Amino acid sequence: AQTVTQSQPEMSVQEAETVTLSCTYDTSENNYYLFWYKQPPSRQMILVIRQEAYKQQNATENRFSVNFQKAAKSFSLKISDSQLGDTAMYFCAHPTNAGGTSYGKLTFGQGTILTVHP
Amino acid sequence: GAVVSQHPSWVICKSGTSVKIECRSLDFQATTMFWYRQFPKQSLMLMATSNEGSKATYEQGVEKDKFLINHASLTLSTLTVTSAHPEDSSFYICSARDLANIQYFGAGTRLSVL
Repeated sequence: AQTVTQSQPEMSVQEAETVTLSCTYDTSENNYYLFWYKQPPSRQMILVIRQEAYKQQNATENRFSVNFQKAAKSFSLKISDSQLGDTAMYFCAHPTNAGGTSYGKLTFGQGTILTVHP
Repeated sequence: GAVVSQHPSWVICKSGTSVKIECRSLDFQATTMFWYRQFPKQSLMLMATSNEGSKATYEQGVEKDKFLINHASLTLSTLTVTSAHPEDSSFYICSARDLANIQYFGAGTRLSVL
């Protein structure tokens, strides 16, 4: 069974600084995706970034980047130049590639509440 | 990114009544949609997978007769909470999966059962 673990329940960072959120996962698949979603106080889930396992290059989206270590099954999210609007709960997620009705089913981590202080 | 609309955003109902929540993919077709439940400051708990034109697949422990799911078209899935009780009060979120296997989420529905 797939598992996703986020070991940091809460983190805080000063505005303009950099913060890294950790995520580890377990899977028997060789080719797969990994995602980071954010859920701000509005509770709307927003896709932040995604990584394809067969790509060695780490994904980057503006101030957001990942450190993907496939062998270690680690997928951390780095937020540079943190902004007040980054305050949210962040979820690491891994979809199954299994066929049938399980295809695309997401396994979420427990979430990390990030607070950006002015 | 793709847009998923969820309606209503907040509903209050009396115990024993039924409530229907709609989830629509606005700019893409979704053969698969998902329904989640979330408690405050916790992760999303998958309730069921909704497949267009077929029966939904429910997760273990989720009552099929309590949470009715219908996915009659490629852009619409509905969740009906039947005979709602106060313990059903929660935040319900839907998502729709696109061809790239990315899930896009609705804004959620806060259900309060009195």
